[in-house]
Amino acid sequence: GAVVSQHPSWVICKSGTSVKIECRSLDFQATTMFWYRQFPKQSLMLMATSNEGSKATYEQGVEKDKFLINHASLTLSTLTVTSAHPEDSSFYICSARWPFSYEQYFGPGTRLTVT
Amino acid sequence: RKEVEQDPGPFNVPEGATVAFNCTYSNSASQSFFWYRQDCRKEPKLLMSVYSSGNEDGRFTAQLNRASQYISLLIRDSKLSDSATYLCVARLKAAGNKLTFGGGTRVLVKP
Repeated sequence: GAVVSQHPSWVICKSGTSVKIECRSLDFQATTMFWYRQFPKQSLMLMATSNEGSKATYEQGVEKDKFLINHASLTLSTLTVTSAHPEDSSFYICSARWPFSYEQYFGPGTRLTVT
Repeated sequence: RKEVEQDPGPFNVPEGATVAFNCTYSNSASQSFFWYRQDCRKEPKLLMSVYSSGNEDGRFTAQLNRASQYISLLIRDSKLSDSATYLCVARLKAAGNKLTFGGGTRVLVKP
């Protein structure tokens, strides 16, 4: 089955620092990956769509200079939260689209706490 | 109005019983639908795609009603392990095939 890994699973950082989160598709190649954010008791909100070899497409209201996305290979996308603030504390989840399908498989998520 | 709406629940279900719940979507151009389950503090996991003719996967049955713009999920013979939040998801080609998630329906199966 489709396996997507995410690293780190949790991170605590100080306000003003940057944090990089990695998302890997382990057993398939994903030309498209997605980054979501989920606040407690809320549903997933799409932040951006990451396409291999091209710039990410950001959703309205998501600052592209704050949330840097790189999709350099067919199995790896990274999200860097720059100059993190306490309000960026959230559960960040990536997903990868299964080839020739619209099904998405999710990584285990990264819980970010900014102090 | 939210694009995908769900009753948040919780649905308290005796073990072995059947539970069903719906999800409504606002955009009639939505092209495909999925049910995901999400356990507390975990990632969503694909439960099943929803086909126009309806489909069944073991104890789970999904139905799509395009005329009324809703999707349903039925769980038969509920197990304690079915306790989770069930997320209804719609795909809209005009929106770049992004998936739009509902807020989820929480199901609690009790002994």
